[in-house]
Amino acid sequence: QSVLTQPASVSGSPGQSITISCSGTSSDVGSYNFVSWYQQHPGKAPKLMIYEVTNRPSGVSNRFSGSKSGNTASLTISGLQAEDEAHYYCSSYTTSTTLVFGGGTKLTVL
Amino acid sequence: QVQLQESGPGLVKPSETLSLTCTVSGGSTSSDGYFWGWIRQPPGKGLEWIGSSRYSANTYYNPSLKSRVTISLDTSKNQFSLKLSSVTAADTAVFYCARSPRSSGYRLEYWGQGILVTVSP
Repeated sequence: QSVLTQPASVSGSPGQSITISCSGTSSDVGSYNFVSWYQQHPGKAPKLMIYEVTNRPSGVSNRFSGSKSGNTASLTISGLQAEDEAHYYCSSYTTSTTLVFGGGTKLTVL
Repeated sequence: QVQLQESGPGLVKPSETLSLTCTVSGGSTSSDGYFWGWIRQPPGKGLEWIGSSRYSANTYYNPSLKSRVTISLDTSKNQFSLKLSSVTAADTAVFYCARSPRSSGYRLEYWGQGILVTVSP
């Protein structure tokens, strides 16, 4: 059982927007702005898409955005494209100086 | 450009010790500005952080694995390693090595391609 809770799956049509939630506690998501989001295509290593809740690494499309409210973080993908179909994982630093992940969300582009 | 590459046996017997190495290029494991870590992913499942180590600083481990795990840095070879003892079938996974900037909350900015390790007689 993962420490952070994500929906198992979400879906959307090309051009639409979707949001993936990541629910934690006051010991992780709620304590720090060290929430990251990773995209993983089948058979590939995860790729950092969002860090420190809202920041995008160089080269990541601005269609990807992050936010946080209390103990829950969210990833929003706007203007869905076929290439966005993948698994998405959130992670958070914790008050125990560890890193925890969510269970992952499979995004299907219809 | 930072690159990481995992290497090691793809098959380990139950009760033995799993040993993997991550070779780094484009960056230095002797820099105290970065954490060097390991993450695993059982087939068809999610990601699990194993631990992270920084030169001249502490190493931090997942509490659920801490009793069986050792992460070490070899700055002379620009590598770092993972040892996981007393393995069982439940330890079968793809193992990734990754780099995190210091004071980033273990932001995993660069990853290796991953290596599948199967625990089986």
